[in-house]
Amino acid sequence: QQPVQSPQAVILREGEDAVINCSSSKALYSVHWYRQKHGEAPVFLMILLKGGEQKGHEKISASFNEKKQQSSLYLTASQLSYSGTYFCGTELAGTASKLTFGTGTRLQVTL
Amino acid sequence: GAGVSQSPRYKVAKRGQDVALRCDPISGHVSLFWYQQALGQGPEFLTYFQNEAQLDKSGLPSDRFFAERPEGSVSTLKIQRTQQEDSAVYLCASSRGTGQAFFGQGTRLTVV
Repeated sequence: QQPVQSPQAVILREGEDAVINCSSSKALYSVHWYRQKHGEAPVFLMILLKGGEQKGHEKISASFNEKKQQSSLYLTASQLSYSGTYFCGTELAGTASKLTFGTGTRLQVTL
Repeated sequence: GAGVSQSPRYKVAKRGQDVALRCDPISGHVSLFWYQQALGQGPEFLTYFQNEAQLDKSGLPSDRFFAERPEGSVSTLKIQRTQQEDSAVYLCASSRGTGQAFFGQGTRLTVV
């Protein structure tokens, strides 16, 4: 079953923060986050394995709550380059990195 | 290669025509995935290879879809007797086995 992402879309001014959530009804092995710009390939941001870890990548970080099967992506001090559609991809145990992607969150950063 | 390469980038097919989409994964990557992405949606899993073995084809929508990776590197996704609902972007991704997957830019297929 497809993970649910929220919000569906968000508009930010440069420098503002945002949180994107991803929720699954199934027990997850890992959560992968990607950003995709129009007409381009999805670009890997980070992967979180079960264990409730939190990872960071410059001003983008994420957490994974294994008990709730939820992951959140945190964007701080957003830049124009952050604009795009963000997808979470969930991996179940024993499925060899096969990902089920959410419907995406469209993020637009304006001046 | 430096990244995952897909060809052609764009393909227009007449309904009923057969098409073949090619994916060149990153050298040395054992895992290869095909996804289908409809406009405004997230990618949907089609099939997965580990080297030359097709280990999961549960996402292929019908028996008109066929994928192969005969030598464990380049992969081809073939769609026979294309229909309008096959119109989508077809994405290929590769990885070392687990963890991060690298995506190609995709092939946009339009069936008219």
